[in-house]
Amino acid sequence: DQQVKQNSPSLSVQEGRISILNCDYTNSMFDYFLWYKKYPAEGPTFLISISSIKDKNEDGRFTVFLNKSAKHLSLHIVPSQPGDSAVYFCAASADGGGADGLTFGKGTHLIIQP
Amino acid sequence: DVKVTQSSRYLVKRTGEKVFLECVQDMDHENMFWYRQDPGLGLRLIYFSYDVKMKEKGDIPEGYSVSREKKERFSLILESASTNQTSMYLCASSPPGTSYNEQFFGPGTRLTVL
Repeated sequence: DQQVKQNSPSLSVQEGRISILNCDYTNSMFDYFLWYKKYPAEGPTFLISISSIKDKNEDGRFTVFLNKSAKHLSLHIVPSQPGDSAVYFCAASADGGGADGLTFGKGTHLIIQP
Repeated sequence: DVKVTQSSRYLVKRTGEKVFLECVQDMDHENMFWYRQDPGLGLRLIYFSYDVKMKEKGDIPEGYSVSREKKERFSLILESASTNQTSMYLCASSPPGTSYNEQFFGPGTRLTVL
């Protein structure tokens, strides 16, 4: 049973426009959500996170929105840049402390077109 | 600059061989993790450890074991490698605490079992 779902395997966006990556989860015990970015042949790198007590967190061009009632979060990137082309993983944690592993979605491959 | 290193970037082994994947972190993190990444499946947790000599099974521990003799080192062991263990293996670490559980990933080891 997949607890974190990223239903779009890929997304193509024009440079300068907004990229919106979506993630749904089923486990109501999740209390911390993270987005990771991964380039080919590299490990994932942390991008942005949000606690379940918030509904929005912003860091530069990246904003994560959390809708707990819908069990849905989204990552907005604006404006999109060529270097944003990568696979983006949504991840969730139920323990808040990081001692347990994260549960990851399958990833969305974002392609920024010039 | 935080660092998680993995002993090999690419590894080719034969079916039935015993395989050791090594991971070292220099951030004095208590928590360490092993994931595998497969196309269409995202990252799946194999094992994690929250202290020296402690280990916990993740979502897919079958066919794997781990060793954590020192805080900075977490080893993944394939007792008898099989072709379905061909994958990208990612090690990660994180500090303890309830408000900071982003995981830092190594570059990955791409293992091919022939």
